Parts: sequence; C-alpha cells; structure tokens
Amino acid sequence: EVQLVESGGTLVQPGGSLRLSCAASGLSFNRYWMSWVRQLPGKGLEWVANMNQDGSERHYAVSVKGRFTISRDNAKNSLYLEMNSLRAEDTAVYYCASDGFDIWGRGTVVTVSS
Amino acid sequence: DVVMTQSPLSLPVTLGQPASISCRSSQSLVYNDGNTYLNWFQQRPGQSPRRLIHRVSIRDSGVPDRFSGSGSGTDFTLKISRVEAEDVGVYYCMQGTDWRAFGQGTKLEIK
Repeated sequence: EVQLVESGGTLVQPGGSLRLSCAASGLSFNRYWMSWVRQLPGKGLEWVANMNQDGSERHYAVSVKGRFTISRDNAKNSLYLEMNSLRAEDTAVYYCASDGFDIWGRGTVVTVSS
Repeated sequence: DVVMTQSPLSLPVTLGQPASISCRSSQSLVYNDGNTYLNWFQQRPGQSPRRLIHRVSIRDSGVPDRFSGSGSGTDFTLKISRVEAEDVGVYYCMQGTDWRAFGQGTKLEIK
C-alpha cells in the first residue's frame, strides 16, 4: 500500500523552530518530486515547497521563503520541512504529497501560539 | 505569480442534478512541453485532498465517470453530471505549470 505519514507537528511559540517529517512507503520514493502543502484553519490549500528527486532543485512559496527549508533522505524514504522564525499565520495542517499530487499523507498539525 | 480564481465559492446542488465549477488562471497554463498542468481535487470533510483530474481532463483511477474536466489556456471547468451525497466537500483547482498554486476552493453542499 502506498503511504505517506507525516509527523512532528506540535504547539510552538512564535519565533520558534520545528522540523516536520514525512515517511514514505509502498512507492519508489527516490523517483518522485515531493511537495509540502498546508491548510490554514478553516481555509483552503496553500502550496509551501517542493524538491526534485536528488535534492538539487528546491522551490518555495513567497510566504515561507528564507524561513522554511525542504530536504529529503532517499535512503530513509523520508521528506522533511525545517521551519524557523515561525509566526501565528503558519498555524496549519501540513501535508506531504507527491509533486504530481496523486499521493497525500493525512497531515500533521502545527500550532504557533504563545 | 499565477493566481487561480474559482467560482462559485459556494455551490448548493440538488441530488441528481449537475454541477459546474469554473477555474481561471491569471496567465496561460500551457507549459513549454505543450501540456497544460491543471488539476482538480476533492476534499471531503475531515479528509486529505484527493486528486480527481490531472492535465485538464484525465480522470484518475477510481474516479467516477460523472466527473469530467475541460478547458484550455486560462479557463477550465469541472463538471459533475449527477451529484451524489458522497460528492459533498470542497473542490480545488491547482496549476502546476508555473510552480504551484491552488484556487480558493468551492464548497459543494446538498440543497
């Protein structure tokens, strides 16, 4: 069964940092571009970042550029999102997805609040 | 940046009746390779998004044939020929031609 499982979401203070992980199984992870997508509470979907198969190409939404870093470890079939200088407006459910968006995880909740 | 605009944002539909959602992009979504990277997603309450259609009109595996996508350039449409109760949720278009951008979402509900 193809599966993406996110983890690492929690309550963090404004200005803090957090690292999200996404574990992939049932797919040839090293063949896929991968993305992070977030959904603010009660709102729509926002693409956050993506990365190519070997990590040599990465792209970010303007709202997170310079604060978030996407990375991957193909040996561990894992995708990561390092989030720094977190703001209240980063509060969201964060989804890991294949960059063709045919495979999605169930999401992990990040809450930025004091 | 490409901006995706959906309409309507709320769509009450009677069971068995058709439904249509429009999605417009601020610039052409035709990529250098000649393909148009426009996807449609369904997000049922409490669930992750699910891709229904990719490249404008290609239905994903397991998607009922009452769902269809059409359009070109900057104007795209998702149609449901006969709405069923399980179709309740929010529908998003998303472009993958110039990085990635989602529409605001259209909430489909049963009248």
